[in-house]
Amino acid sequence: ETGVTQSPTHLIKTRGQQVTLRCSSQSGHNTVSWYQQALGQGPQFIFQYYREEENGRGNFPPRFSGLQFPNYSSELNVNALELDDSALYLCASSSGARGGPQETQYFGPGTRLLVL
Amino acid sequence: SQQGEEDPQALSIQEGENATMNCSYKTSINNLQWYRQNSGRGLVHLILIRSNEREKHSGRLRVTLDTSKKSSSLLITASRAADTASYFCATDRGSTLGRLYFGRGTQLTVWP
Repeated sequence: ETGVTQSPTHLIKTRGQQVTLRCSSQSGHNTVSWYQQALGQGPQFIFQYYREEENGRGNFPPRFSGLQFPNYSSELNVNALELDDSALYLCASSSGARGGPQETQYFGPGTRLLVL
Repeated sequence: SQQGEEDPQALSIQEGENATMNCSYKTSINNLQWYRQNSGRGLVHLILIRSNEREKHSGRLRVTLDTSKKSSSLLITASRAADTASYFCATDRGSTLGRLYFGRGTQLTVWP
């Protein structure tokens, strides 16, 4: 167990709806990263939050947005869901300083999202 | 876009045999990490190897890194059925921004 938790574990939505996924980071970690993993692929970086500020974003449209709270937990919001958004969404927590060396990222169990 | 390319895509061996998986990448890196994933669940961190390191061990795992060839290998010795999983390498592409770039993974099946 990594100490990183995600909720919900599974979710079914229809096209056009909005979804919020949640992640609690490991104790002592100040950084949360979100990844999307389509079936048969490796995880793709969505964005990262460091001490409540966005610290980098991958090639995802603006309808993917996020938040990090003072306790370093995080949310991923996706608006106007599309069929291709069906995937496993993973969050990972780590510790470190902005601009500092990359440290190990510890992943949660993921949220499986199905868009119909 | 994917960074690492793991090969083989799939590997099937008997318990007790060694399993070797390879990863190639295209850019400079600060470090490279290997992860395991069971049946579409979360990723479990195995080993982080820094660009100035050539080899690292952890239990039955041995990771090598050749920055001149931009490649890494993961060796699992004396494999067990419980090692059945997908294995991914991930790099930082030389950035300190904190994002990881994953390959498509190697699906390892260990038969009892």
